[in-house]
Amino acid sequence: QVQLVESGGGVVQPERSLRLSCAASGFTFSSFGMHWVRQAPGKGLEWVAVISFDGSNKFYVGSVKGRFTISRDNSKNTLYLQMNGLRAEDTAVYYCLRDHSGGIFDYWGQGTLVTVSS
Amino acid sequence: QLVLTQSPSASASLGASVKLTCTLSSGHSSYVIAWHQQQPEKGPRYLMKFNNDGSHSKGDGIPDRFSGSSSGAERYLIISSLQSEDEADYYCQTWDTGIHGVFGGGTKLTVL
Repeated sequence: QVQLVESGGGVVQPERSLRLSCAASGFTFSSFGMHWVRQAPGKGLEWVAVISFDGSNKFYVGSVKGRFTISRDNSKNTLYLQMNGLRAEDTAVYYCLRDHSGGIFDYWGQGTLVTVSS
Repeated sequence: QLVLTQSPSASASLGASVKLTCTLSSGHSSYVIAWHQQQPEKGPRYLMKFNNDGSHSKGDGIPDRFSGSSSGAERYLIISSLQSEDEADYYCQTWDTGIHGVFGGGTKLTVL
């Protein structure tokens, strides 16, 4: 069955960096676009970034452009989110998701918590 | 700008049915959407994708009690025979051709 397992979250000081990983299994990872979505404490869901199946196209929500980079290693079935210049407002649970088709998400990971605090 | 609008809360009795609404903004009434459920203290899970022709495809293990329908710019998630575990936040989601994901604000469903 499809599994998405995030890791790499933790507590980090403002302006520092963190890299999240998402290990995928149970499907042909290299055939699917992948997304990151986040949820701040007590808030709703916010889409963060997408990467195409082959890594050739990447798009971001405006608030993270220039600071976050999405990438993937299809040989390792792993998705990444490099987060630089972290801010308090980036504090959230970050979820890795599979793109079913046309930007509709059909599988979620369990999430990893990122806390930005001094 | 593509916006999905959901009522913040809804309630219904155990064993009853409830219809949750997601409204697409003007000019976007033909968009495909998905519904996602987030039970308390858990991560979200995909419920179903709702297509323009009224058909829908469900996620793994989603019971028949969950179904969808639409009318114009409104998309509905219908839950019948409500159970206590259906108490959750429900989010609709779509994709903007401006290359970004869009979520509704979510509806908190209380099962009485």
